[in-house]
Amino acid sequence: QVQLQESGPGLVKPSETLSLTCTVSGGSINTNNYYWTWIRQSPGQGLEWIGSVYYSGNTYYHPSLRSRVTMSIDTSKNQFSLTLTSVTAADTAVYYCAGGYSRVSAYWGQGTLVTVSS
Amino acid sequence: QSVLTQPPSASGTPGQRVTISCSGSSSNIGTNTVTWYQRLPGTAPKLLIFHDNQRPSGVPDRFSGSKSGTSASLAISGLQSEDEADYYCAAWDDSLNGHVVFGGGTKVTVL
Repeated sequence: QVQLQESGPGLVKPSETLSLTCTVSGGSINTNNYYWTWIRQSPGQGLEWIGSVYYSGNTYYHPSLRSRVTMSIDTSKNQFSLTLTSVTAADTAVYYCAGGYSRVSAYWGQGTLVTVSS
Repeated sequence: QSVLTQPPSASGTPGQRVTISCSGSSSNIGTNTVTWYQRLPGTAPKLLIFHDNQRPSGVPDRFSGSKSGTSASLAISGLQSEDEADYYCAAWDDSLNGHVVFGGGTKVTVL
């Protein structure tokens, strides 16, 4: 069974960079046609797709975040990562990593709360 | 404001059938398949329905999905107390170089 686990700082200062890593276990991140995705949920809000990195490394980002987001995949560590620059309080959210075949997120991490505050 | 439109809430008594709608456009639901996720309180979202109407193994068959044109629906038959959760629809949107769009979520309450 594929399992995902997010890791990274729980507190980031405004204007700084948020960096999270998702470690995949129980399966290879380098699986044909798999997308590895970051999704967030701000307090009191719904789910928001941040972007996905294809198993081959191609990336797809939310239009409103495209200028601040970078995702990458590290097949040697079976991990994928998210960086979000110039964060503000609006970026405070629970961040989930997820993955699955053909853009369907069948596997999810438990989520990690990231608070943007000085 | 979510790209896909869902009712904020729905409710029913145990055993009833509840339906949740998800309205989109030609660039998302009208062209691409719909996925439904269930988020139980305090837990991560879980895949419920994919490719409009397919259930992953382990999902009870009282959950069903359908799609017509630019709208989709999730039906829960034989509502149970453990179905009390938030439900989200999602789809790929071909506009703006492509991205995933979510509905705002529907809170299902079992009365």
